[in-house]
Amino acid sequence: VQLVESGGGLVQPGGSLRLSCTASGFSFSNYNMIWVRQAPGKGLELFSYISSSSRTIYYADSVKGRFTISRNNAQNSLSLQMNSLRDDDTAIYYCARAPGVYPYFDYWGQGTLVTVSS
Amino acid sequence: DIQMTQSPSTLSASMGDRITITCRASQTISSWLAWYQQKPGKAPNLLIYKASTLQGGVPSRFSGSGSGTEFTLTITSLQPDDFATYHCQQYDSYPWTFGQGTKVEI
Repeated sequence: VQLVESGGGLVQPGGSLRLSCTASGFSFSNYNMIWVRQAPGKGLELFSYISSSSRTIYYADSVKGRFTISRNNAQNSLSLQMNSLRDDDTAIYYCARAPGVYPYFDYWGQGTLVTVSS
Repeated sequence: DIQMTQSPSTLSASMGDRITITCRASQTISSWLAWYQQKPGKAPNLLIYKASTLQGGVPSRFSGSGSGTEFTLTITSLQPDDFATYHCQQYDSYPWTFGQGTKVEI
């Protein structure tokens, strides 16, 4: 099982960025997925969830209306479109997999750093 | 939202020590709690789910207990590889939330 994030980088406040998470080693279409972020020196924030079929999607209030989670099961990929970025969105962004119906997470990507700064 | 509070925030220990980390939920979460270990610059690693079930491949010196609002993670006989930050996570109800983390240092 492997999850590999990409797409992070430096962006100005108000800008946009699209993150990707490429999955391999398991049947991606059968698993619910999440995005979690960790600001420098801070704890973990689970801010978005998508079910295996994309039927159920959740966002934390901190990103609602600005971020969009999506997945392409045919390409084994998870995406996060981030718009209207703010300084406090600066963090390492991880994708992770829920092993079953319960939302705890057994495999994580290595993370990708998003820095929002002028 | 359910708030998860870990204590202590930092724990100083020595190799071979037995340590306990506490995680308290602001409301009852039954046994819907997971524990993760995170090393610097690395992603979290699942240790325990459903409060006390050890994830495959996790050494038996790790154990979890509790239900309702109070939970503990215990590590018997600390090994060099165990010096890390530990996070609890409730998955009783959305938004699923993490504690602030407990750093175990030498």
